[in-house]
Amino acid sequence: ETGVTQTPRHLVMGMTNKKSLKCEQHLGHNAMYWYKQSAKKPLELMFVYNFKEQTENNSVPSRFSPECPNSSHLFLHLHTLQPEDSALYLCASSQEMGQGWNEQFFGPGTRLTVL
Amino acid sequence: SQQGEEDPQALSIQEGENATMNCSYKTSINNLQWYRQNSGRGLVHLILIRSNEREKHSGRLRVTLDTSKKSSSLLITASRAADTASYFCATDAEAGGSYIPTFGRGTSLIVHP
Repeated sequence: ETGVTQTPRHLVMGMTNKKSLKCEQHLGHNAMYWYKQSAKKPLELMFVYNFKEQTENNSVPSRFSPECPNSSHLFLHLHTLQPEDSALYLCASSQEMGQGWNEQFFGPGTRLTVL
Repeated sequence: SQQGEEDPQALSIQEGENATMNCSYKTSINNLQWYRQNSGRGLVHLILIRSNEREKHSGRLRVTLDTSKKSSSLLITASRAADTASYFCATDAEAGGSYIPTFGRGTSLIVHP
């Protein structure tokens, strides 16, 4: 266990559904990340929160909406997704982002399938 | 294209052999990290090497960094079947004053028992 949990582990949803992915870290970190991992593509950074403030939005479509209510929790709200959004969504945390970037601890991921 | 690119894309070896994976990147970095991912799981941090370091060891892992060539290598000695996984390098690319972790596509390693 890395100290980062994600729920659900698997999710199947239709294009008109609304769902949320949850991430929780028990490591006392101040930075949290959402990544998308598709087959045969590099890991794509989606969002970064540092001390609960969103510091990066890597040109992610608005159908993905992040929420970080506190340093330990991170959500990814999903609505009107497309089949090409099917992927493994990974959450990670690290010490705060400062000069350079620290070791990240990843959750097990949520395997999302959009029908 | 992405900051880090691993080479080869796939590597198949016998147990006991050494496995070497390479990573090239484009812009200056503060540090470079290697991660491992078992199929369908999250990534696990292996080792971090800073830009002022040339070599680092951790158990059976040896990482080198050549900033003049913008490249790094990961060597796994005396490989085991349990080392079968994908291995990624990641760099901190500067973007607008902050540092963004950027991963490559990974090297898929298969170790045959």
